[in-house]
Order: sequence, then C-alpha cells, then structure tokens
Amino acid sequence: DVKVTQSSRYLVKRTGEKVFLECVQDMDHENMFWYRQDPGLGLRLIYFSYDVKMKEKGDIPEGYSVSREKKERFSLILESASTNQTSMYLCASSSPGTGGGKAFFGQGTRLTVV
Amino acid sequence: AQRVTQPEKLLSVFKGAPVELKCNYSYSGSPELFWYVQYSRQRLQLLLRHISRESIKGFTADLNKGETSFHLKKPFAQEEDSAMYYCALRPNNAGNMLTFGGGTRLMVKP
Repeated sequence: DVKVTQSSRYLVKRTGEKVFLECVQDMDHENMFWYRQDPGLGLRLIYFSYDVKMKEKGDIPEGYSVSREKKERFSLILESASTNQTSMYLCASSSPGTGGGKAFFGQGTRLTVV
Repeated sequence: AQRVTQPEKLLSVFKGAPVELKCNYSYSGSPELFWYVQYSRQRLQLLLRHISRESIKGFTADLNKGETSFHLKKPFAQEEDSAMYYCALRPNNAGNMLTFGGGTRLMVKP
C-alpha cells in the first residue's frame, strides 16, 4: 500500500517559533508537494519539488521554505510562525509524466500558532 | 496562470436524488482535469480523471472544453457520498503541478 506519512497530526506552536513539518513517501516518487487547506479556499500550493534539492514556489510561498535533501523526504519550514499560518497542511507525492495527476496525500498536520 | 473555480461551497441533496458538483477552469492550453474526494477523517484521494473516461462509485465527469467545465455527476446520491470534493487541474506543459479549486462539501440526507 502506498504511503505518504506526515510526522505529526497536531502541532501547537508559539508565534515566532521556527517550525518544521516533515513528510516521507515510500513510492520512489520524484514529485512532492506542500499544500495548505483552509475552508472555502481549498488547497493552495505552497511549494513543489520535482527532484532532490529542486524546488519551485507555489501560489503562497511567503513565510515558508522547504528542504529536500533525500528523494523520500520533503520538509516544510515556517521560519517564524505567525497566527495566520494556523491551518491544515497536506503533503503529497506523485510520479512524473502521465502519472503526475494522481497525487497521493498524507494524513495532514493541523498546525495551531498561538 | 491556471485557475479552478467550484462555485458551490455546500451542496445538500436527499438520498436517491441526482447530484452535480460544478467545476470551471481557466487555462489557455489543454489541461488534465481531476476530481479528488476527502471522506470524514480520511486522506484526500483521487476519485477520477478525465483522460480515463471512467465511472467510479457511480460518478462520472465530462470535460467540456467549450465551456471550460468538468462537472461531477451521479444519478442517484447515496449517504456514503457525503464528503468534500475538490476539482483539480494539471497543465499539460507545466510538469506536474496540480491546482485545486475551493472545494464543495456534499451532504446527502437520508
């Protein structure tokens, strides 16, 4: 069974903290994504990586950075957490080419910044 | 840039009634379109894609390039269809980025 695993289901952090969200996939996928999911706004792409050490900004990259040192792991970093970053964060992976539209999602991390 | 619009945030129907979840997109090329579904307490997962022309769980969706729409339909809704539905677009020349709509919550009442 294919798996995308996010390290935490729930996180509570303080304003100004540096926050790391980790995601691991075991499908040898080249592509990995970080989205945030907010009611009424759907899923908005934060960052996308198509290979190790390669990344592209999505629609809302401000306040975030990413790291992909190994193919199976994609980390989202909140440099200085703010309350408006309270959200559900979803990680996904996919294979390139014709399989690129079939993304596999993690279970989500609900981050609350207080 | 591409955009996906789902005009209804909430759609409530009775069991056995027909369902249509609307999806409109804007993109200058020929995109691939998808429907994803998230059941309560489950992960977001692919429901169907237009290139497969498949019917999954009784749902179908037809890509209408003239109207730039990809509406999801089911003739007879079931209570287990209650979920959050997202329409997604993948440009044909932009690698593998997926752009999602705002989502529609479908509630099927008994």
